[in-house]
Amino acid sequence: AQSVTQPDARVTVSEGASLQLRCKYSYSGTPYLFWYVQYPRQGLQLLLKYYSGDPVVQGVNGFEAEFIKSNSSFHLRKASVHWSDSAVYFCAVSARNTGNYKYVFGAGTRLKVIA
Amino acid sequence: GALVYQYPRRTICKSGTSMRMECQAVGFQATSVAWYRQSPQKTFELIALSTVNSAIKYEQNFTQEKFPISHPNLSFSSMTVLNAYLEDRGLYLCGARESGTEVFFGKGTRLTVV
Repeated sequence: AQSVTQPDARVTVSEGASLQLRCKYSYSGTPYLFWYVQYPRQGLQLLLKYYSGDPVVQGVNGFEAEFIKSNSSFHLRKASVHWSDSAVYFCAVSARNTGNYKYVFGAGTRLKVIA
Repeated sequence: GALVYQYPRRTICKSGTSMRMECQAVGFQATSVAWYRQSPQKTFELIALSTVNSAIKYEQNFTQEKFPISHPNLSFSSMTVLNAYLEDRGLYLCGARESGTEVFFGKGTRLTVV
């Protein structure tokens, strides 16, 4: 079974600073990986996804993530954060075997961007 | 494009009563539908996976008796929270997919139990 660990429950960064939100997964094969964002009292919005190929994937609003298989990681990065990036970010993993597309979500990281 | 609508967006029910929520897929065929719950300050837990023409698979801690799901066609699914209590409050998310891997999520139904 797959699992996801987001070790940082809360992260605070200054506006304009760079950002890295950590995600580590556990899965015996090569997974599908996702980052979602949840704004206050909203559902989930997909930021980016990794299926195969280039391990660095670009997402919306300047976000990117890098799949490092040897480290079982899929950290999210942004070069310069904006106050509107304040939200909760969820990393998710899905198994590749056909018929089992169950998403397993991490606990989430609450990002606060300060002036 | 592929969209998933959930309604109602917000609902309040009295403790011990039941509440039905719906999920509509637009622009694609929802072959499989997953229902998740996000309890306050927590992550998303999978309740069950429903695939058309197959049995619905419930995760541990969730049962058909408590969360009956209907998935009658390729564009619609509903789930009822029976006999709702305080611990059932939260955001209920529907995720649907056609044949690929990507799941499209709705914006959720937020359930408050009073």
